[in-house]
Amino acid sequence: AQSVSQHNHHVILSEAASLELGCNYSYGGTVNLFWYVQYPGQHLQLLLKYFSGDPLVKGIKGFEAEFIKSKFSFNLRKPSVQWSDTAEYFCAVNSGASGNTGKLIFGQGTTLQVKP
Amino acid sequence: EAQVTQNPRYLITVTGKKLTVTCSQNMNHEYMSWYRQDPGLGLRQIYYSMNVEVTDKGDVPEGYKVSRKEKRNFPLILESPSPNQTSLYFCASSLRSGTSGINEQFFGPGTRLTVL
Repeated sequence: AQSVSQHNHHVILSEAASLELGCNYSYGGTVNLFWYVQYPGQHLQLLLKYFSGDPLVKGIKGFEAEFIKSKFSFNLRKPSVQWSDTAEYFCAVNSGASGNTGKLIFGQGTTLQVKP
Repeated sequence: EAQVTQNPRYLITVTGKKLTVTCSQNMNHEYMSWYRQDPGLGLRQIYYSMNVEVTDKGDVPEGYKVSRKEKRNFPLILESPSPNQTSLYFCASSLRSGTSGINEQFFGPGTRLTVL
């Protein structure tokens, strides 16, 4: 079955520390990959996405992610976190094939707490 | 402003009392979907709709119904709510692409439902 695994459930960092959140997926075909962020009390917002092309994608707010096909991974990175990055982060995958159902498979989420 | 709206945002109800959560998008998206978010489980798809009058089950459809009579609206209906449907619900919408299928999904603000 298709699945997405996020390695860390809860991460605590100090401001200016570097961030890397792991995401591995299990899916046999072409994939679209996403990272969404959910700030406290708010809805999900797209941080970045990968459909094809350059495997290093840049998103909003200084985030980037690297797609490594051989490792089925799509890790999220930020060189220097800020207190305002405190949020829950979700990795998600769906089929990249034409005619797919669009269903997003989400990881369990990683709660990031940044200490000022 | 392009957005997905949901109503109500918060709802407390009792077991067995039928309720409807509305979802509307103003982006002319063909695809709409409902997810529920539970701690430690991420988001799971309940139902989706590829276009008007076309709906199908997601991963957790039991106890829910949907309809898609108009392109912009995709209500979620709980005919006889039970306490295990207490959750945070998100509606999402997306364009369809001929090449990569369903693209990034835009999420509504969420509806927090408590069933007593």
